[in-house]
Amino acid sequence: AQRVTQPEKLLSVFKGAPVELKCNYSYSGSPELFWYVQYSRQRLQLLLRHISRESIKGFTADLNKGETSFHLKKPFAQEEDSAMYYCALVGAQGAQKLVFGQGTRLTINP
Amino acid sequence: SQTIHQWPATLVQPVGSPLSLECTVEGTSNPNLYWYRQAAGRGLQLLFYSVGIGQISSEVPQNLSASRPQDRQFILSSKKLLLSDSGFYLCAWSRNSPLHFGNGTRLTVT
Repeated sequence: AQRVTQPEKLLSVFKGAPVELKCNYSYSGSPELFWYVQYSRQRLQLLLRHISRESIKGFTADLNKGETSFHLKKPFAQEEDSAMYYCALVGAQGAQKLVFGQGTRLTINP
Repeated sequence: SQTIHQWPATLVQPVGSPLSLECTVEGTSNPNLYWYRQAAGRGLQLLFYSVGIGQISSEVPQNLSASRPQDRQFILSSKKLLLSDSGFYLCAWSRNSPLHFGNGTRLTVT
C-alpha cells in the first residue's frame, strides 16, 4: 500500500534558521515524490518534484530510497516561507493518483 | 493556458440536504480529474478520480458520489449530507503529473 507520513503537524523556526520538514513514504515500487505548498489564501501548488532535482525558493529535497524519505530542506528560512506543506507520492502511474501526507504547518518567526 | 474553476467557494448546508459541487477545466482535453477532501488533522484524502467521461473510481466508501458528464466537468454530489461531510473539498486535474488544484470549496454541514 502507498503511504506518506509527515511526523510533524506543526513546525516553528526563527527567520534565518535552517528548516527541515520530514517526509517518509511506504511504497513497494519506484515512486515519484512531490512537495506541495499552500500559502495563506492561495491554492495548493506544486513546490518541487524529486525527478527535477531543482531548488525552488531555496528549498531542496533529496529522495533517499534506503531510508524511504524525501525531506524538504532550506538553509535559511524566510518569513514568506510560512505555509502548509504537503509531501505526496505517485505510485499508480496510470491514473497519476497522488497520495498525500497529513501536512506540516510551518511558521517562521521574525 | 490551462485553468481550473471550482464553485462555490463556501457552502453551508443542513444535515440531510443534497450537495452538488462543480469543477471545470479549460485549456486542455481529456484530463485526469480528481476530488480530494482536506479535513482538519487528516491531510488530503483522495475521494474520486476519473480518467475519462463516465469513468469514475471511488477511493473510499462514503456518502458522496462523483460524475463526469463532459470531458472537462467533474461534479461531486450527495443525496443527503452528514455532519461528517464537513470539510474543504479540492478539485484537481492532470495530464501527466503534477496535479493542478482549484481554489477549493469550504463545506459546513450544520
